[in-house]
Amino acid sequence: SQKIEQNSEALNIQEGKTATLTCNYTNYSPAYLQWYRQDPGRGPVFLLLIRENEKEKRKERLKVTFDTTLKQSLFHITASQPADSATYLCALGGDSNYQLIWGAGTKLIIKP
Amino acid sequence: GAGVSQSPSNKVTEKGKDVELRCDPISGHTALYWYRQSLGQGLEFLIYFQGNSAPDKSGLPSDRFSAERTGGSVSTLTIQRTQQEDSAVYLCASSLGPLNTEAFFGQGTRLTVV
Repeated sequence: SQKIEQNSEALNIQEGKTATLTCNYTNYSPAYLQWYRQDPGRGPVFLLLIRENEKEKRKERLKVTFDTTLKQSLFHITASQPADSATYLCALGGDSNYQLIWGAGTKLIIKP
Repeated sequence: GAGVSQSPSNKVTEKGKDVELRCDPISGHTALYWYRQSLGQGLEFLIYFQGNSAPDKSGLPSDRFSAERTGGSVSTLTIQRTQQEDSAVYLCASSLGPLNTEAFFGQGTRLTVV
């Protein structure tokens, strides 16, 4: 069955450093991958979408890579700030299927 | 409204009671999703509405769950004869179209069945 893995343990990063989160998947060939941020008591907020033919995508301090050979996406936050502390979710989708497959998320804690 | 609105924010109900959860999507969004999120788990797809098409109910966990979307806008998720395992956060999302577009989520309804 299709499976997405995100590190279930919280990631602690010192302010100013680069935070890197991982999303691995198996038994699936997604057409695109999305990253969302979720704060406690709130719904997820869309951050970035990267398609299968794109290696990398950037938005301000965020960078996402997508390696369809390794079946992995990396999500980077450069110059991290305490306000970046949240849970980050990845989701996979196909062009012919509106349903997204979601990871459980990784909690990121940026320490001042 | 400016975003997706869900009500109530929190609901505590006794086992066996029925509950209704409401979702007001962003105006003009044709696609609407309901998800369930349990602690430490990924979002679980429940049901999908797209325009006037028949909804995809394939994610509903049992026949105690049902959902409607009236006039292509407001949606209600109904859970009959609630069970303790129904306790979770129920999230609604809407998007402009059905495929690979940004999904906008509401804040969710935290349901606790006691």
